[in-house]
Amino acid sequence: NAGVTQTPKFRVLKTGQSMTLLCAQDMNHEYMYWYRQDPGMGLRLIHYSVGEGTTAKGEVPDGYNVSRLKKQNFLLGLESAAPSQTSVYFCASGRGLRRNTEAFFGQGTRLTVV
Amino acid sequence: QKEVEQDPGPLSVPEGAIVSLNCTYSNSAFQYFMWYRQYSRKGPELLMYTYSSGNKEDGRFTAQVDKSSKYISLFIRDSQPSDSATYLCAPAQGAQKLVFGQGTRLTINP
Repeated sequence: NAGVTQTPKFRVLKTGQSMTLLCAQDMNHEYMYWYRQDPGMGLRLIHYSVGEGTTAKGEVPDGYNVSRLKKQNFLLGLESAAPSQTSVYFCASGRGLRRNTEAFFGQGTRLTVV
Repeated sequence: QKEVEQDPGPLSVPEGAIVSLNCTYSNSAFQYFMWYRQYSRKGPELLMYTYSSGNKEDGRFTAQVDKSSKYISLFIRDSQPSDSATYLCAPAQGAQKLVFGQGTRLTINP
């Protein structure tokens, strides 16, 4: 009963390094999302996908790229990490609001960029 | 102006109190209104959902939406220490994405 799994859970990067965050869901959901959560800012949408092979920009997409090559996976990439990208990143998946209103979230990835 | 405004708190109340959490929003196209609960170091989980204006009750929780004033509320009756968490309002338009408020951190003191 895994649900939404994020890898890794913690990571420290140096400025300028690159990394990829992996999100995997086993519920056959069409929609997948990447959010970042910062103190006092709530959850802000970075990118999302409405199906395999599709991606779209959210509220704060700059500095991030995503790919959805397989339906169950949604990857978030940081090409050149900056201290401003220090945050907690959450992946979520769902069937879309008209069919099912619930978005299921992973446990989060705590990223620190030094 | 942010699409969704929520008082971040923190809010601290004694056990058994009635709690009122509120959000305002600016986008009149929002149709779906969710409340998520997030425990410390965990991902958010859906708590309540309403469609359009009106009230919805689920046990000790009541969600209220007033689209005319663009105001969303969550009431918790007989609050318990286990209700201590961050509560995020999340209105949505269409089928695809949620917009979250800043979240209100709530502590229920035994």
